[in-house]
Amino acid sequence: AQSVTQLGSHVSVSEGALVLLRCNYSSSVPPYLFWYVQYPNQGLQLLLKYTSAATLVKGINGFEAEFKKSETSFHLTKPSAHMRDAAEYFCAVSEWYGGATNKLIFGTGTLLAVQP
Amino acid sequence: GAVVSQHPSWVICKSGTSVKIECRSLDFQATTMFWYRQFPKQSLMLMATSNEGSKATYEQGVEKDKFLINHASLTLSTLTVTSAHPEDSSFYICSARRGRDEQFFGPGTRLTVL
Repeated sequence: AQSVTQLGSHVSVSEGALVLLRCNYSSSVPPYLFWYVQYPNQGLQLLLKYTSAATLVKGINGFEAEFKKSETSFHLTKPSAHMRDAAEYFCAVSEWYGGATNKLIFGTGTLLAVQP
Repeated sequence: GAVVSQHPSWVICKSGTSVKIECRSLDFQATTMFWYRQFPKQSLMLMATSNEGSKATYEQGVEKDKFLINHASLTLSTLTVTSAHPEDSSFYICSARRGRDEQFFGPGTRLTVL
């Protein structure tokens, strides 16, 4: 079974500082990987996804993530944090069924705080 | 495009009553929708996969008789929590799959059972 581990349930950065949120996955087949953001009392919004194309994926709001097969990692980064980036971030991996992706397996989430 | 709505956004009910939550894909058709449950400060746990025109597939440990899922059309799936109890209080989120690999999430429904 596939799984996702997010290191650090809470990350705090200063406004303008680098954001690095860590995600490691386990999968016996080439995975599809996703980063989602959740603001309080809202659903999830897709930030970016890796689907076996380019290993460096650019997403919305200035975020990007790099797929590293050798490290089984898909860390999320942003060069300069903004106050509006404060939210919960979830990494997810998809399971394959019959040639199509199906279930998403989520990590436990990382709450990002941005200090002024 | 790719908007998913949920109704209601929040609901309070008495213990023992049933509550229905709707999930709609507003601008695309979704043969597959998913229902998740999220406890405070925790991740999303998949409850079931809802397939249009067929029975839902429930995850291990999820009571199918308690959480009734109906996916009667390509744009609507419903989750009914039957005989709700306080431990069913949670944030319920649905998603609709578009294409092979992308899920679009609804805004969630906060259920409080008194």
